[in-house]
Amino acid sequence: GENVEQHPSTLSVQEGDSAVIKCTYSDSASNYFPWYKQELGKRPQLIIDIRSNVGEKKDQRIAVTLNKTAKHFSLHITETQPEDSAVYFCAASIKAAGNKLTFGGGTRVLVKP
Amino acid sequence: DAGVIQSPRHEVTEMGQEVTLRCKPISGHNSLFWYRQTMMRGLELLIYFNNNVPIDDSGMPEDRFSAKMPNASFSTLKIQPSEPRDSAVYFCASSFGGLGEAFFGQGTRLTVV
Repeated sequence: GENVEQHPSTLSVQEGDSAVIKCTYSDSASNYFPWYKQELGKRPQLIIDIRSNVGEKKDQRIAVTLNKTAKHFSLHITETQPEDSAVYFCAASIKAAGNKLTFGGGTRVLVKP
Repeated sequence: DAGVIQSPRHEVTEMGQEVTLRCKPISGHNSLFWYRQTMMRGLELLIYFNNNVPIDDSGMPEDRFSAKMPNASFSTLKIQPSEPRDSAVYFCASSFGGLGEAFFGQGTRLTVV
């Protein structure tokens, strides 16, 4: 089955700096790559996603890149703010498999004011 | 739509008791997922359904766990008998298979003492 690795497990950045989280996946058939943000005590919520026919996608301060050849994708957060502090999860899924989402282990991001 | 609805939000039970967690997916979604979240193991997929049919239950820890989806608007996850190591937050998520984005419920925090 699919295996998703995520690094780093924790990330501390100064407010205003950028944060980068990287994920790799194992199944070349995966074609959908969402990123979820989970604040303490709350549910994971989708913040951005990318599909296999796209190499990069941006939404304000966040962007995701995908390299299908290398089977890795990354989340970039620019101009970080304290409210960006949370746990971020990457995931991969295969439409043909009913969009079964396999998650990475998560990255705890702390933005220091 | 109110989103994915889970009940109860919190459950404290004694070891050996039966526990039933409930989930109502978003209307129109045809895929439903049960995840377990712990600090040690992160977000683990237990089972998922597509059009009410269980597709992959390879994540179910053992025979003490069972899940049903009798119709498109309701699913249960049952643990019998419960054990302290089952203590975790259990999330239900649903998606529309063609699009991929999964929406999570608020979760059920289960404590087995």
